[in-house]
Amino acid sequence: DGGITQSPKYLFRKEGQNVTLSCEQNLNHDAMYWYRQDPGQGLRLIYYSQIVNDFQKGDIAEGYSVSREKKESFPLTVTSAQKNPTAFYLCASSIELASWEGYTFGSGTRLTVV
Amino acid sequence: GENVEQHPSTLSVQEGDSAVIKCTYSDSASNYFPWYKQELGKRPQLIIDIRSNVGEKKDQRIAVTLNKTAKHFSLHITETQPEDSAVYFCAASTGSNYKLTFGKGTLLTVNP
Repeated sequence: DGGITQSPKYLFRKEGQNVTLSCEQNLNHDAMYWYRQDPGQGLRLIYYSQIVNDFQKGDIAEGYSVSREKKESFPLTVTSAQKNPTAFYLCASSIELASWEGYTFGSGTRLTVV
Repeated sequence: GENVEQHPSTLSVQEGDSAVIKCTYSDSASNYFPWYKQELGKRPQLIIDIRSNVGEKKDQRIAVTLNKTAKHFSLHITETQPEDSAVYFCAASTGSNYKLTFGKGTLLTVNP
């Protein structure tokens, strides 16, 4: 599915629960990213990773955690500290070249708090 | 950090008309400016991009212009069709950190 796969497509979380969103890519891309999308807010960067075992906070990292143990995988955990987690979450990847051409996006996970 | 402003937030046109979406950016070091199209419930897809060494780029009915002095860039869609209806996002990057900052998006509706 375009080389980058997100699962599940829909996820429901109860108050106080941690949930993990999966993102896997087979594009051999170095960098991976997590964005959150809310209506009228555009795409806001949560975390990104440019190399295995290293990641950086984005603009809205509070209440989220990530890991990058393998080049292909960049899971996002939404913790109970995230007070308003209902949103559409997009994972992306890119290859770092001088002629960089932006991101390839996954198909997204819609998270709803119930 | 970089800040990208996008206008308008919604745009409604008649089929066959042109549509223009404008973005401004704050970091003069930004040198890569892609545009993404996102249909309802789908992933964003790159439709066109421009680098700072170019003032204009065209691809069939789509064009992007860049004014580095004023720090703004625009998406132009000519002869719009109903299938052009979607949310369009502009973005900017300095390239050195391989990270995009996005505008808030424009919902384009093309009425038959």
